[in-house]
Amino acid sequence: AQSVTQLDSQVPVFEEAPVELRCNYSSSVSVYLFWYVQYPNQGLQLLLKYLSGSTLVKGINGFEAEFNKSQTSFHLRKPSVHISDTAEYFCAVTPRNAGNMLTFGGGTRLMVKP
Amino acid sequence: GAVVSQHPSWVICKSGTSVKIECRSLDFQATTMFWYRQFPKQSLMLMATSNEGSKATYEQGVEKDKFLINHASLTLSTLTVTSAHPEDSSFYICSASPTSGTKYNEQFFGPGTRLTVL
Repeated sequence: AQSVTQLDSQVPVFEEAPVELRCNYSSSVSVYLFWYVQYPNQGLQLLLKYLSGSTLVKGINGFEAEFNKSQTSFHLRKPSVHISDTAEYFCAVTPRNAGNMLTFGGGTRLMVKP
Repeated sequence: GAVVSQHPSWVICKSGTSVKIECRSLDFQATTMFWYRQFPKQSLMLMATSNEGSKATYEQGVEKDKFLINHASLTLSTLTVTSAHPEDSSFYICSASPTSGTKYNEQFFGPGTRLTVL
């Protein structure tokens, strides 16, 4: 079984400041890792994913994440946030051999202030 | 590419009625579709996994007779909330995984359906 912990339920930050949203996971097997963004009353949109290869993954909207196997982490970062980045962010994992079943973290609400 | 639609986007119904929510993969075929429920300010809770042509696999605690899932084709899955009650009010989200191709290990999410039961 897998579990995902997003350490911060809310992250307030001023516009143009850098931000890091933390994600740690637990799994007895190798996993793929994902970050999704959800805007109010909408579905989830994929920001980025780690499948293999380089541990630094770049996604859409200027976000990037780094997979750290030893620390079982997959933190999401952006060097300069915009008001439009205000949303809910979900980290998720799926076992590499288990048919795409996603396990989600509890979510982190990013609140960008002017 | 990889677009998933849901219909309706929101629905209000009276207690005791049944509501059907459709999930369609518009530009790809999906052997597997997933149904999630999301309460306000909470994460997504997987309700069931739906495979085309076979019975859905429900997560523990999800009532099969309450939440009927049909996956009749490679592009359509439906969730029917039977005899809905106010506690069934929630945001329901579906997702679909491509049958083949480079993105077969991903889920693509629909925009969600807001159900309010009066």
